[in-house]
Amino acid sequence: DTAVSQTPKYLVTQMGNDKSIKCEQNLGHDTMYWYKQDSKKFLKIMFSYNNKELIINETVPNRFSPKSPDKAHLNLHINSLELGDSAVYFCASSQDLKDQPQHFGDGTRLSIL
Amino acid sequence: GESVGLHLPTLSVQEGDNSIINCAYSNSASDYFIWYKQESGKGPQFIIDIRSNMDKRQGQRVTVLLNKTVKHLSLQIAATQPGDSAVYFCAENLQDTGRRALTFGSGTRLQVQP
Repeated sequence: DTAVSQTPKYLVTQMGNDKSIKCEQNLGHDTMYWYKQDSKKFLKIMFSYNNKELIINETVPNRFSPKSPDKAHLNLHINSLELGDSAVYFCASSQDLKDQPQHFGDGTRLSIL
Repeated sequence: GESVGLHLPTLSVQEGDNSIINCAYSNSASDYFIWYKQESGKGPQFIIDIRSNMDKRQGQRVTVLLNKTVKHLSLQIAATQPGDSAVYFCAENLQDTGRRALTFGSGTRLQVQP
């Protein structure tokens, strides 16, 4: 009954590769997000989508491309992975863009060798 | 295991005591605030929220206090239990041309001693 689920949980890959992380929410929410958490636990917004439409695109390298096939899914594709991309990536969702709590998945730990 | 968050401020309390975790937020235009709990290997979990038209809100064993004058938020946990051990984040919702993006604080690690 996981509300926000991400796959894979761990991703170990080499520099230069392309990888994707998938996220699905079964809460019926309209809005989904991607966050990056660095080694100091700092959480930063990367993207948000509302009803499949891109709302927020922070200063993230264009190697990162989110894709929302429907409002229950928001996938993150990363091209030409770099060492600095190593982090934990969290997907989240909320009812809508108004003042509602965001519900987070358990994260994908990306390690670049 | 995780080797992250080693430089987080840490609050150490005895089981059964009350805990107070503080947070200073940055933007006086923020109008919505949330406290999250993050356990090792998990995502942030919603605890309680408060809107800027309130200065106090209570949940089960938790109370959030908002002082807009000094841009300060606190989370009080009553009768702290070992299961409360985690990293706690405050987050503010920035009014910015309707983007409604959450900005997270740097986190505080709560350690509960049995």
